[in-house]
Amino acid sequence: SAVISQKPSRDICQRGTSLTIQCQVDSQVTMMFWYRQQPGQSLTLIATANQGSEATYESGFVIDKFPISRPNLTFSTLTVSNMSPEDSSIYLCSVDGVGDYEQYFGPGTRLTVT
Amino acid sequence: GQQVMQIPQYQHVQEGEDFTTYCNSSTTLSNIQWYKQRPGGHPVFLIQLVKSGEVKKQKRLTFQFGEAKKNSSLHITATQTTDVGTYFCAGRSGGYNKLIFGAGTRLAVHP
Repeated sequence: SAVISQKPSRDICQRGTSLTIQCQVDSQVTMMFWYRQQPGQSLTLIATANQGSEATYESGFVIDKFPISRPNLTFSTLTVSNMSPEDSSIYLCSVDGVGDYEQYFGPGTRLTVT
Repeated sequence: GQQVMQIPQYQHVQEGEDFTTYCNSSTTLSNIQWYKQRPGGHPVFLIQLVKSGEVKKQKRLTFQFGEAKKNSSLHITATQTTDVGTYFCAGRSGGYNKLIFGAGTRLAVHP
């Protein structure tokens, strides 16, 4: 199994500012995934981040709003740019496990935009 | 695009009653996974089903994958308060690595 940590665990930000969320994995992984989970809702995939290439964004998510870095096989960042209250959500990173390809999730970053 | 529907959205049971959540995909799935998310927690993998008609059991939990590989269910026998949480199905189709999550079923168990 993979152990994933995220920073910060929560933050309250003002509209118009940006927040960078960090995701650290205890083992090398090829792909890392970033999800958004709005309160009481399901998980929506924002993008897939491969080391050494540009992230692949899902429909409705753009790089200018959610730039992603993937500098090595154990680390990734997601930035939420020019935030508005609609960006208030939990942001989760995840990685695929070996074998069954289950996904392991980080504890999440709870973002509130005022 | 691919969609995964899940019902019911919410289920409230008395401890000891059974619980079932159903998942239906708009496309044929290569596999389906189930996750549990406790209140305030993150999703935790429960199981993956791959074969048509597959049934797997984990203690009081029974998972089924439909013959057409487009639907799945999770049944919990004799619920306990520790079963509280939201249960998500998530499917993969074709050669894609990404998971498409259902809306989730939130289970409340009253003692």
